[in-house]
Amino acid sequence: ETGVTQTPRHLVMGMTNKKSLKCEQHLGHNAMYWYKQSAKKPLELMFVYNFKEQTENNSVPSRFSPECPNSSHLFLHLHTLQPEDSALYLCASSLLTEGMEKLFFGSGTQLSVL
Amino acid sequence: KQEVTQIPAALSVPEGENLVLNCSFTDSAIYNLQWFRQDPGKGLTSLLLIQSSQREQTSGRLNASLDKSSGRSTLYIAASQPGDSATYLCAAKNSGGGADGLTFGKGTHLIIQP
Repeated sequence: ETGVTQTPRHLVMGMTNKKSLKCEQHLGHNAMYWYKQSAKKPLELMFVYNFKEQTENNSVPSRFSPECPNSSHLFLHLHTLQPEDSALYLCASSLLTEGMEKLFFGSGTQLSVL
Repeated sequence: KQEVTQIPAALSVPEGENLVLNCSFTDSAIYNLQWFRQDPGKGLTSLLLIQSSQREQTSGRLNASLDKSSGRSTLYIAASQPGDSATYLCAAKNSGGGADGLTFGKGTHLIIQP
């Protein structure tokens, strides 16, 4: 266990549904991240939160909406997704100290969009 | 824009062999480089983190080296075991002091034959 918990582990949704992914860490970390992992492609950074403030948004479509209510919780709200959005969505956290920003990942949510 | 390449994409070796996984990056101005392990359908586990000022890091049977000038890192696994079977990813971080994400390679899928 890495200390980063993601729910649900698996999610199947239609293109018109609205769902949310949840990530939780109690490691005392101050930065949280959403990554997307598609088959045959490298992990892609989607969103970064530093002390609850979003610091990076890598041109992610607006059908993905992040929320970080506090430094321990991170959500990814999904609506009107496309089949190509099917992927493993990984949450990570880190403690921003000089030179030792090791990332800790959750087990991911395997998302299928029908 | 940083690009990370890992060679080979897949590797299968008999148990007990020593092996080397390769990672190259295009922008040598990295802040640190991390090696991760990913088991099927799971999240990533951080194995080793090398700061830009370091040349190598060791943990048990694993040794990672970093040569910034040539844009290369290697992960050496000694006396491989079937439990080492997994996908190994390297990731480069290009700036420090902030919650910037990592640039990942596509990974090397490693199979250790009993």
